[in-house]
Parts: sequence; structure tokens; C-alpha cells
Amino acid sequence: SQTIHQWPATLVQPVGSPLSLECTVEGTSNPNLYWYRQAAGRGLQLLFYSVGIGQISSEVPQNLSASRPQDRQFILSSKKLLLSDSGFYLCAWGPSYNEQFFGPGTRLTVL
Amino acid sequence: AQSVAQPEDQVNVAEGNPLTVKCTYSVSGNPYLFWYVQYPNRGLQFLLKYITGDNLVKGSYGFEAEFNKSQTSFHLKKPSALVSDSALYFCAVRDMGEGGFQKLVFGTGTRLLVSP
Repeated sequence: SQTIHQWPATLVQPVGSPLSLECTVEGTSNPNLYWYRQAAGRGLQLLFYSVGIGQISSEVPQNLSASRPQDRQFILSSKKLLLSDSGFYLCAWGPSYNEQFFGPGTRLTVL
Repeated sequence: AQSVAQPEDQVNVAEGNPLTVKCTYSVSGNPYLFWYVQYPNRGLQFLLKYITGDNLVKGSYGFEAEFNKSQTSFHLKKPSALVSDSALYFCAVRDMGEGGFQKLVFGTGTRLLVSP
């Protein structure tokens, strides 16, 4: 069966510091991968998605970037965090046309 | 672009009573619709989906949803609510992104509170 992992689970970072969140998927190959941000415990905003290694599409311009160095690894990064980057970050994987499966999330607090 | 709307921020229901969480959609073509649930500080869990076929879709944990084309709705229902059903519920619709890439567009979420 497929599983999806995210780490760290929680992170507290000062403004201006770098960020690296990691997501890995097991039990499937060539998945579509997604990064979402959920602010204030409500709506989900799609940040990035990837259909393959090195292929990243950005949904909104922002202070963040994503990379996919391996088939089942998806990384969310920032060179300098802003206060507005605080939120709950969710990674998901899925077939191209169907439901998505979410990881447990990372709670990021920027102080 | 495809979209869904969840008109209620919160739904309150007593345990044992039926519950309904509303969702309406706006799509071009045939809609692919989904419901997800999120428990506190957790990722989203898939509940059910409508692709084609019967308008009444059954999903996990006793939930079901009714697809209504004339009303462009896809309301989530359960005959008898449990306190453990208290969570945040998201409706979603499939959309076509850049280059034909298919993605999900989520509603703003409805918080369900089931009281004992």
C-alpha cells in the first residue's frame, strides 16, 4: 500500500531564516505530487505541483520554491522566511485524474 | 475555471441526528466531485467521490453524498451523526491546469460540530 511522509511535523523559525520541508511517497511510482498551504485552519491553497522529476509548476507567485530531485521526493524551500509564510503545509500525491492522498502535514510558525 | 462553494462556515448537529454539509459547484463539462475530512492538526482524508453513475455515492465512515445536476449541488450527508464526526469538511472539484494537468480545487471548508 502507498504511504506518504512529511517532516518535520512542527517547525518554529525566525523571520529571514531558510526553510526546507520534505515529503516522500512509498509504494507507488511516478506519482503526481502537490504542496498545499492551509492558513488559519481553513481553506487550502495549491502552491506547487509536479508530474515528474525536475518538473515543477507554480500556482501562485510567492516566497517559496519546490523541487523534485527524485521520483517520490518533493521538497518545499525558502531562502528567507516571512511572517506570512506561517501555516500548515500539506503534501499530497495522486493519479492524474482522481483523488489525492495527503500527508500528515507540517505546522510552520515564523516568528 | 471550475469551482466549488461551501456556504456554511459551521454546521451544528446533535448526536444521533442526521447531518448535511452543503456544497455547490460551477463547472464546464461533467463534474468530478470529491469530499474530504480533516481532523485537527492532521492531513485530509478522502471520503468519497462522484465521477459518473448513480447520483447517490456512498463513502467511508457511513457518509454519503447526493449529486444533483439541476441544482449543481453535491451535499454530504449522514443519517446519524457521531461526536467523532466533528471535523473540518472540504468539497473539491477536478480542474484542468496548465498543459492539461488535472488538479483539485477545494472549497473553503465547513466545520461540523456534533454535540453529545
